[in-house]
Amino acid sequence: QKEVEQDPGPLSVPEGAIVSLNCTYSNSAFQYFMWYRQYSRKGPELLMYTYSSGNKEDGRFTAQVDKSSKYISLFIRDSQPSDSATYLCAMSGTGGFKTIFGAGTRLFVKA
Amino acid sequence: EADIYQTPRYLVIGTGKKITLECSQTMGHDKMYWYQQDPGMELHLIHYSYGVNSTEKGDLSSESTVSRIRTEHFPLTLESARPSHTSQYLCATRGPHNSPLHFGNGTRLTVT
Repeated sequence: QKEVEQDPGPLSVPEGAIVSLNCTYSNSAFQYFMWYRQYSRKGPELLMYTYSSGNKEDGRFTAQVDKSSKYISLFIRDSQPSDSATYLCAMSGTGGFKTIFGAGTRLFVKA
Repeated sequence: EADIYQTPRYLVIGTGKKITLECSQTMGHDKMYWYQQDPGMELHLIHYSYGVNSTEKGDLSSESTVSRIRTEHFPLTLESARPSHTSQYLCATRGPHNSPLHFGNGTRLTVT
């Protein structure tokens, strides 16, 4: 079983929709949770970085972590065609160097 | 702005060739990493370094080697490329404590 599970999609939504992207994980030692956005032919770009449980908001993006359920989410409000990309969740433990990635969800936002 | 520079961006070579993928950073980070990424798959760690003269193999078995002679430079070398090495190779750095990874734009390697 993979340590991090992420639905690969693709997910197709109309412009302006609220998008919900999710990952589940099995290792309770994970304390740091990240979302990366990756455009075609580019490297992953850090979008959100959170520690432990709770919510974090940055513009149209909100990251949620529920450690009791081992479940993390990224919400995108008022989605734009420029949000079309692959979104990778990632997580790591305290003091360790290892970061574990999900396989990524491909998102298409139609104008 | 690209603080992590990877060259070349694209490379097509024949089987048996020796190649070096370059990675340089201007962030001053001690920790550097090489990941391999295939379509629809997770990123897999193949090498990492905690600083100058420090190199370790990652989780994914790889026939490549790395060196870290200078803080800002972390090249990856394949002595004899094979079609199974066809993939995207991503270089990343990490700041102190539990900072997140920062990635370059990758090298897409095709071995024919």
